[in-house]
Amino acid sequence: DAGITQSPRHKVTETGTPVTLRCHQTENHRYMYWYRQDPGHGLRLIHYSYGVKDTDKGEVSDGYSVSRSKTEDFLLTLESATSSQTSVYFCAISEREARGAYEQYFGPGTRLTVT
Amino acid sequence: EDQVTQSPEALRLQEGESSSLNCSYTVSGLRGLFWYRQDPGKGPEFLFTLYSAGEEKEKERLKATLTKKESFLHITAPKPEDSATYLCAVLSGDYKLSFGAGTTVTVRA
Repeated sequence: DAGITQSPRHKVTETGTPVTLRCHQTENHRYMYWYRQDPGHGLRLIHYSYGVKDTDKGEVSDGYSVSRSKTEDFLLTLESATSSQTSVYFCAISEREARGAYEQYFGPGTRLTVT
Repeated sequence: EDQVTQSPEALRLQEGESSSLNCSYTVSGLRGLFWYRQDPGKGPEFLFTLYSAGEEKEKERLKATLTKKESFLHITAPKPEDSATYLCAVLSGDYKLSFGAGTTVTVRA
């Protein structure tokens, strides 16, 4: 998984509680991403980061926030979890080289269930 | 709006029975088209990047091709270990990456 770990790998939480997922990389890549994957949908971007303390929203950012205080760590927080946020969450990294290589490499995922 | 459509949704093959998966797309200013493989319970694994129409890439029994409107992933003489979900994604001119829903391939021995 290209030097990417995610924690926890599984979590069950109750509606209304805050939840934080962690992504850690050892590749020193500049870009980091959080996606969610749901049946019948492709991977959908939640938030991404293009450097320490530099983040931006993706297409499904409502109810989520992120932080990146170190190159290697990217945190995703569900401020008040809802059942619609039950999903599998993937972290990805990439390094945009000068010749335009934009491949993203994915972590193993976190399965989150909100009851 | 960028769109990526993969077909079929599911494909069942006999070992050795070659076939193709389709990824059709509409995007403004294609910067690249990516193929990934995803095994159950795991993250997507990068396979190929295609940058321009006419380009082809190969890896073992997989071959990816690209036209201006679609990409094909050809699986030649598949083996049971080729069973997985194959994802296609396109990167637009404004660096937005859009994924298709995937094709689940099952290869029977």
